[in-house]
Amino acid sequence: DTAVSQTPKYLVTQMGNDKSIKCEQNLGHDTMYWYKQDSKKFLKIMFSYNNKELIINETVPNRFSPKSPDKAHLNLHINSLELGDSAVYFCASSSDRRSNYGYTFGSGTRLTVV
Amino acid sequence: QQQVKQSPQSLIVQKGGISIINCAYENTAFDYFPWYQQFPGKGPALLIAIRPDVSEKKEGRFTISFNKSAKQFSLHIMDSQPGDSATYFCAARGAAFYNQGGKLIFGQGTELSVKP
Repeated sequence: DTAVSQTPKYLVTQMGNDKSIKCEQNLGHDTMYWYKQDSKKFLKIMFSYNNKELIINETVPNRFSPKSPDKAHLNLHINSLELGDSAVYFCASSSDRRSNYGYTFGSGTRLTVV
Repeated sequence: QQQVKQSPQSLIVQKGGISIINCAYENTAFDYFPWYQQFPGKGPALLIAIRPDVSEKKEGRFTISFNKSAKQFSLHIMDSQPGDSATYFCAARGAAFYNQGGKLIFGQGTELSVKP
């Protein structure tokens, strides 16, 4: 019954590899996001999808490619991983209804590139 | 560049004391100001939120004070408990993205430690 679930929770991989992180929400929210939390705990938005449409694409290397097969899923694929990609990646979702903007975050995926 | 500045970076409070965390935002149309609490190994969890047409909101021991003219808002935790020890983030949602899901911009975070 988890609201926003991400897999895997931990990911350790070598430089140059390609990896994916999956996210699913069962809240019926319209918008999903990917945030990156660096080693200083700063949270920065990477992408946002609304009803499968990309609406926010921050200055992120094009090695990062989000995909939203439906409103409840948003995956993140990363090509040619680099040491600097090591971080915690959070998926989140939110409602468009003005009565409730609350964002719900997943528990994060800790990516370590070695 | 839209920014939200948060202070202090870290805070130590005695049990039963008041914890105060401050945030300031720049000249941008934000329409929603939430505070998030994050425990180690967990995702941020919504604690309390306020809209700019309200000056104060209280939920239990947590209060947001909002000063629209000064572009500042703060979180007060009354009767702080060791279980409140966590990282707290203020955030602001960009109104420009209304109806398409807002872009939530976070402050830098405050590590709160409540000593028994």
